[in-house]
Amino acid sequence: SAVISQKPSRDICQRGTSLTIQCQVDSQVTMMFWYRQQPGQSLTLIATANQGSEATYESGFVIDKFPISRPNLTFSTLTVSNMSPEDSSIYLCSGWASTDTQYFGPGTRLTVL
Amino acid sequence: AQSVTQLGSHVSVSEGALVLLRCNYSSSVPPYLFWYVQYPNQGLQLLLKYTSAATLVKGINGFEAEFKKSETSFHLTKPSAHMSDAAEYFCAVSLGRGPDSTNAGKSTFGDGTTLTVKP
Repeated sequence: SAVISQKPSRDICQRGTSLTIQCQVDSQVTMMFWYRQQPGQSLTLIATANQGSEATYESGFVIDKFPISRPNLTFSTLTVSNMSPEDSSIYLCSGWASTDTQYFGPGTRLTVL
Repeated sequence: AQSVTQLGSHVSVSEGALVLLRCNYSSSVPPYLFWYVQYPNQGLQLLLKYTSAATLVKGINGFEAEFKKSETSFHLTKPSAHMSDAAEYFCAVSLGRGPDSTNAGKSTFGDGTTLTVKP
């Protein structure tokens, strides 16, 4: 199975600040994504991280709030900007592998006070 | 567009009993279907996947699922529940086909089913 790591694993942040989450995947992964899981809810796709170009955002998510970078095939970052308590969620990095399988990282548990 | 409906947000079974978690999907093209398990304070672990090969798919931990196109269903079963199976289970559908598909990995998830196993 593909290996996906994320850091930090959790953080507690103050309102109005920003947090950058890092994701590292192994070479089996061809496409990278960022998902959000709000407390007690299911997963929602935020965006597709495109290598060397702007990410593709899903409806309801914008680049100013969730800037994403993917400088190479195996690394991506998601920034949660100008945070509010409503941003408290688990943020998960995901990769689509060459085996036609989707894998998820362990998640970053974010609490905004 | 695709969607997933998991019938029953909470399922409770006795240890040793059959586990049946229901998932129905809607898709405009032949889908990929996945079941994931999430233990408290942990990430998602892939249980099994359907990618248009055999319709009966066997996964880890004794789980299996059957793809029924006529019923647009992909229900998850396990013959005998174990206490360690207590967790949140998610069904997901993806329209991606092949690594070059722009929809590969853009999965839609069901709302999840919490499985409780009673001793």
